[in-house]
Amino acid sequence: GESVGLHLPTLSVQEGDNSIINCAYSNSASDYFIWYKQESGKGPQFIIDIRSNMDKRQGQRVTVLLNKTVKHLSLQIAATQPGDSAVYFCAETLPPDRGSTLGRLYFGRGTQLTVWP
Amino acid sequence: GAGVSQSPSNKVTEKGKDVELRCDPISGHTALYWYRQRLGQGLEFLIYFQGNSAPDKSGLPSDRFSAERTGESVSTLTIQRTQQEDSAVYLCASSLGVRQGAFFGQGTRLTVV
Repeated sequence: GESVGLHLPTLSVQEGDNSIINCAYSNSASDYFIWYKQESGKGPQFIIDIRSNMDKRQGQRVTVLLNKTVKHLSLQIAATQPGDSAVYFCAETLPPDRGSTLGRLYFGRGTQLTVWP
Repeated sequence: GAGVSQSPSNKVTEKGKDVELRCDPISGHTALYWYRQRLGQGLEFLIYFQGNSAPDKSGLPSDRFSAERTGESVSTLTIQRTQQEDSAVYLCASSLGVRQGAFFGQGTRLTVV
């Protein structure tokens, strides 16, 4: 479900290292997931999505892994750069027959990624 | 334009005044969302429009908040009798439809003084 609480989880990594950002989603019936990146003062930016019939999807320097058994989503960023510093949000969508409004996105609370030079 | 456009980008208003925020979605996008984001916090769902279906208004925090959308075009979010706790960034997003990526605008920063 959605969470708008204080004190976002944080992750600090060294430039050049790989980053793994985790997200525990709320509903085992969710069938579509998105990762967003939000830099300070900007709107969230779409990074990558994945459907529930997949367990892995790769983009440019990013990989999303989906583990439906434990309701876990992760975003892996290869060779992390200072420009990757941002808050990362995961979002999920439920099928309409599960009582949700068709297509509505439910956001997680976000993780603050800080990349040190 | 190519992306979601929101206006104004910044709005300062006096407590008790009404404000209207505008969102121009990406052309052809049937779904439109409004979210609120307070400083340093996550995204708080407000309202969701999907095509001709009845909007999901379950996130509107009080009856001072309302939103409209004409067809698949512009949406306006109206806050009546603004309060200081309404100060936040109001974000709009649109998508082609169900299970399609939603793309956000840059938001409207509302400050109630």
